[in-house]
Amino acid sequence: GAGVSQSPSNKVTEKGKDVELRCDPISGHTALYWYRQSLGQGLEFLIYFQGNSAPDKSGLPSDRFSAERTGGSVSTLTIQRTQQEDSAVYLCASSVGTSAYNEQFFGPGTRLTVL
Amino acid sequence: ELKVEQNPLFLSMQEGKNYTIYCNYSTTSDRLYWYRQDPGKSLESLFVLLSNGAVKQEGRLMASLDTKARLSTLHITAAVHDLSATYFCAGTAAGNKLTFGGGTRVLVKP
Repeated sequence: GAGVSQSPSNKVTEKGKDVELRCDPISGHTALYWYRQSLGQGLEFLIYFQGNSAPDKSGLPSDRFSAERTGGSVSTLTIQRTQQEDSAVYLCASSVGTSAYNEQFFGPGTRLTVL
Repeated sequence: ELKVEQNPLFLSMQEGKNYTIYCNYSTTSDRLYWYRQDPGKSLESLFVLLSNGAVKQEGRLMASLDTKARLSTLHITAAVHDLSATYFCAGTAAGNKLTFGGGTRVLVKP
């Protein structure tokens, strides 16, 4: 079956522009996570959605970052007024739920470069 | 707040020899994961360790978990070139949020 997909695979933008990154989770997975992988900070959690519950935004680095999940499926991560330090690979993962036995499956990532 | 530390950060291996990567974590973690990442690729799940004393093996890789010591190890037996990659361990906080170690870059030389 299809895995987690993300688009675009690469995004180059100019400092100050807004970008949107998309994640399509595995069908039937109620939990969706965003992580960021950068040279300076390693792999870090950003935000997660579980069903209809309010998202856990505790990992978002600033108020320029936001995410939404429409219809319990596709999610969009938006970065406003991008800065060079936002350059990273943004990874999306999904899982059946959030219990101890629910493994997260990762998408291929979106490489964001801010010039 | 959960913190996860791996060592070493870089491991140069000789083919045929055995090596161990260590993963220490700071507070209780529901479970411990090991992932592999090839250059330019995403994360591939290797092992999920759920309880104290858990040991899992797949091919030349074996992972174990000691929750009392807050330590997990990834043991590589008779290293081969195909195992060259970066390996990450991760613990989980509430909601299954993953907290990753810094990664161990493994290079297996002939």
